[in-house]
Amino acid sequence: EVQLVESGGGLVQPGGSLRLSCSASGFTFSSYVMHWVRQAPGKGLEFVSAITFNGGPTYYADSVKGRFTISRDNSKKTLYLQMSSLRTEDTAVYYCVKDLSGSYSFDCWGQGTLVTVSS
Amino acid sequence: QSALTQPASVSGSPGQSITISCTGTSSDVGSYNLVSWYQQYPGKAPKLMIYEGSKRPSGVSNRFSGSKSGNTASLTISGLQAEDEADYYCCSYASSGTWVFGGGTKLTVL
Repeated sequence: EVQLVESGGGLVQPGGSLRLSCSASGFTFSSYVMHWVRQAPGKGLEFVSAITFNGGPTYYADSVKGRFTISRDNSKKTLYLQMSSLRTEDTAVYYCVKDLSGSYSFDCWGQGTLVTVSS
Repeated sequence: QSALTQPASVSGSPGQSITISCTGTSSDVGSYNLVSWYQQYPGKAPKLMIYEGSKRPSGVSNRFSGSKSGNTASLTISGLQAEDEADYYCCSYASSGTWVFGGGTKLTVL
């Protein structure tokens, strides 16, 4: 069974930093593109970032470009999201998501971790 | 990267069919047959219901179907059931390794 477990969320002040982690199991982690998708309280879903199989090309939404960095450690089956210069509008539940290979869609989601940016 | 446009809410009675539209642009929905649809219950993670416009993952009921015409994609749910009451989001690949979601549609089963 595919499992994605996020951790690292919490309360942080504007301008601060936070690193999210996502531990994967139940599939060959190194064979899949992985994503971060977020959802602000009471709002819709928003693509944040994607990373290819070996950590090569990475992609970002304009709203986080230059502030967030996605990375992965295939030996640890773990996905990361380093967030810096955080803003109040970054407050959201952050989901770790597995790509449905070749279909440009998201077939497995973690339970999410809440990031709250507030003074 | 503007969000795709979905109706805020739709409703239907048990047994009926409903359709949720998702309008994008020639840069996303219109350029690729890569629209996906997600179902989300309150407080839960989204679930993939449709991918590549009209394909259903294993385990998803055949009451769910997807289609596309031009810059607009659609999700149809037939034989509406109480358990279908949830939020639904469309999503399209938008080039350069990015994706764009719709604002979400709340489905109410009357």
